[in-house]
Amino acid sequence: EDQVTQSPEALRLQEGESSSLNCSYTVSGLRGLFWYRQDPGKGPEFLFTLYSAGEEKEKERLKATLTKKESFLHITAPKPEDSATYLCAVPRGTDSWGKLQFGAGTQVVVTP
Amino acid sequence: DGGITQSPKYLFRKEGQNVTLSCEQNLNHDAMYWYRQDPGQGLRLIYYSQIVNDFQKGDIAEGYSVSREKKESFPLTVTSAQKNPTAFYLCASSIRQSGDTQYFGPGTRLTVL
Repeated sequence: EDQVTQSPEALRLQEGESSSLNCSYTVSGLRGLFWYRQDPGKGPEFLFTLYSAGEEKEKERLKATLTKKESFLHITAPKPEDSATYLCAVPRGTDSWGKLQFGAGTQVVVTP
Repeated sequence: DGGITQSPKYLFRKEGQNVTLSCEQNLNHDAMYWYRQDPGQGLRLIYYSQIVNDFQKGDIAEGYSVSREKKESFPLTVTSAQKNPTAFYLCASSIRQSGDTQYFGPGTRLTVL
């Protein structure tokens, strides 16, 4: 069964304190891994797509990396506006067209 | 601006009523999706549609129905058969193929009174 596990469930950071979020997955034939940011009461906002092990992508203070079994979202010198829930998702097995398996998310709070 | 709109933002339903949630996109995407989000859980797929006049059940379709008469629109009806409908509902769309990025609307929060 395809599974996506995110850790930690919650993370509290001081402004400027860098950290990493983990997304581990078990799915056959990985066809991409997606990271989203979700603010309370809003829809997820797309951040990154990673397609192959070793790939990295950056956007402002965020950097996503991918290995064969997991992905990391690194937050460098975070600011309070980086507070959000970060979701990762992977397409399910080869016969599950368009279906994404989502993790439960990591809630990040950055305090001044 | 291209994007996905959902309405209403908040919806209140009495027990025994059917309600319909609207989802419209002007991104020219072929595929559209409905998800349900509950606190502490990942998004769960209700229904999805690859093309007009075609749709498939997701993981939790019981008590829900959809239609796809136009490429731009994918309304979701929450029927009285859905026993626990209070949740945050999200609509998404993608260009076409499996593995394409899905883009989300702002969501509708449904509360049963």
